[in-house]
Amino acid sequence: DQQVKQNSPSLSVQEGRISILNCDYTNSMFDYFLWYKKYPAEGPTFLISISSIKDKNEDGRFTVFLNKSAKHLSLHIVPSQPGDSAVYFCAASGEGSSNTGKLIFGQGTTLQVKP
Amino acid sequence: NAGVTQTPKFRILKIGQSMTLQCTQDMNHNYMYWYRQDPGMGLKLIYYSVGAGITDKGEVPNGYNVSRSTTEDFPLRLELAAPSQTSVYFCASTNPGGFIYEQYFGPGTRLTVT
Repeated sequence: DQQVKQNSPSLSVQEGRISILNCDYTNSMFDYFLWYKKYPAEGPTFLISISSIKDKNEDGRFTVFLNKSAKHLSLHIVPSQPGDSAVYFCAASGEGSSNTGKLIFGQGTTLQVKP
Repeated sequence: NAGVTQTPKFRILKIGQSMTLQCTQDMNHNYMYWYRQDPGMGLKLIYYSVGAGITDKGEVPNGYNVSRSTTEDFPLRLELAAPSQTSVYFCASTNPGGFIYEQYFGPGTRLTVT
C-alpha cells in the first residue's frame, strides 16, 4: 500500500513561471514531510521540509504547503529555472519517539523547465 | 570531505551469484540507510543502522544482509541474486544530532541481474 503518492509522473513549465508539484499521503500519523531533488546519475539531495504543526515553510524560491485535512502537500518553485529540471521526491516520516530517521518516499515527479 | 561514496557504480550479475555493495561515509554520521529505486518508483528502505553493531530491517529486506562494524562503513550483501533485485541502490547517512531527516546520499550503484 503506497502511503505517499505523487500522481503526476512529469511536469513541464516555462522558465520564469511557477512550478507546482503535488503529493498525497494516507497516514495521519506522519509528522514530518520533506522534498528531495535528484539529478540523473546522482543521489537525491534534501531540498526543504515541513513539520505537521505548520502549514507553510519557505526557503528562497521554494515553498512547501501542507493541508492536513486533505492529506496533501505541494512544493512551489517561483520562479522556475532550467537548473531546477530534476526528479522531485516527496517523503514522509511518522516515527513518534523512535527517532531512527526512516522515510517513506513517493514515486517522484520529473520536472522539466524549458528556457 | 567526500561525503557518501558507493562502489561499484555499475555491476551485472548472473542469477544466483552474490556480491557486496560498499558504502562509506566520512561525516561521522551514526545513522546509515540502504534504499533501492526501481524504475518509476520511489526509494524503498532495505536496511538501516543507528550505530556500529546495530542494524534493522526496512520495508524490503528479503534477499539482502547488512553489517555495521564501523561508523564509516555499511556494506549491503546480496546472496543468490535474482532478476527482481535489478535496481539502483542508494546508501545514505544522517547525523542524529542535527535534522535527522536530512539524509546525505551516495551516487548509487546500478545493478542488473540477468
